[in-house]
Parts: sequence; structure tokens; C-alpha cells
Amino acid sequence: KAGVTQTPRYLIKTRGQQVTLSCSPISGHRSVSWYQQTPGQGLQFLFEYFSETQRNKGNFPGRFSGRQFSNSRSEMNVSTLELGDSALYLCASSAKQGYGYTFGSGTRLTVV
Amino acid sequence: GENVGLHLPTLSVQEGDNSIINCAYSNSASDYFIWYKQESGKGPQFIIDIRSNMDKRQGQRVTVLLNKTVKHLSLQIAATQPGDSAVYFCAETSNAGNMLTFGGGTRLMVKP
Repeated sequence: KAGVTQTPRYLIKTRGQQVTLSCSPISGHRSVSWYQQTPGQGLQFLFEYFSETQRNKGNFPGRFSGRQFSNSRSEMNVSTLELGDSALYLCASSAKQGYGYTFGSGTRLTVV
Repeated sequence: GENVGLHLPTLSVQEGDNSIINCAYSNSASDYFIWYKQESGKGPQFIIDIRSNMDKRQGQRVTVLLNKTVKHLSLQIAATQPGDSAVYFCAETSNAGNMLTFGGGTRLMVKP
């Protein structure tokens, strides 16, 4: 079956703009979580959604937000972009809590 | 890739040798652990997982060992191949949670 699909793969934005990233989980997976990966901070948890509800949120400013749709697809949004938001944003899906998280290839965001 | 410039511990092995990658985890409440492999430009790829009620689990050419007493996890790769060259991350979570906490990663370099 198809894996986790993230779009777009690459994105270049200007400081102050906003951006929306998309994630389609593996069919049947209802949990979607987002991670930010940078050389300096490694992989850090952003938030997790299950059945359209945010269940957990990491230690990121309010500029980072997300949502999940009834078909389990998820989007994350970053407003008022800063240079430090440049990162690889990864989405993971799982069939049930605490089990088998599968990652997508990520969206590489560059803020200039 | 995402880890360019990041000072990662590096393990260099000869093709055909066995590799052992270690990880110290932080949360004594964690009860589910995963090893991921990440190649340049790609998302983390699931390798093997283990629950806290086990201390060893084997896959194809890989073995994960868990020592809960000292909060230590290791990944053993048998007969390491050039295709195993990548960055390896351990991740932990608890059944009560829905987020992964990642280690800093280890770069494995396989010399032909």
C-alpha cells in the first residue's frame, strides 16, 4: 500500500510569509504527527492528531499550527516565517497509539 | 542531507563486519522503542522496534537489545553492507503518549 505522502517536497519562502504543508497518511492510519528536523536541534515533535483532534503539542510557538481532516489527511501551517524555521518537516502516521510510526520523505522548507 | 554540519557520533566499519550502535534513552516511563535509518534527503525509515516487556528482538540482519536498568538501547547489524551507510536514530515513547522522542543520531559509515 502507499506510504506516507508529503507535499510539496521543497519550498522556498520569504521571512514574514506563511506556509502550509500537507501530509496524507497510510490508508487506515488515523494518527498523524509532525516533526521538525534541523542540524542543530535534531528531530523535535511538533504535534499529533487523531480523529481530527490534536492530542499532544510540542514546545513550539503558536506560529506553528495544524489540523486534521475527516479523511485523516493533515496540514500544518507556519505563519510569520523566520529564518530559523528552515528545516525538514516530517510527518508520521500510525495505526494506533504507541505503535509503528511510519514517516514520509518530508518537506524541506527554506526561509530566505 | 539534514545532518550535514551536525556533529554526529560516527561509527566506521568494514564491509562484512558487525556494527553496534548505542543509545541512551531518557524517560524511565518509556515502554516502546524504535530504531530508524535515515539516508540523505529521505525521511526516517523504520528498522525494528521493541517493547519494554522484552530485552531482545531480532529481525533480518538486525537485533535490538534493551536494558531497562540502565536505560540503554542498542542496534546490532550483522554483516554490514555499504547500503547500511546512513544516520541511525533511536526513538522512545510510552503507551500513554503519542509522541516520539528521538536520540541525537549516529552516522554509520561502511568502508568497502
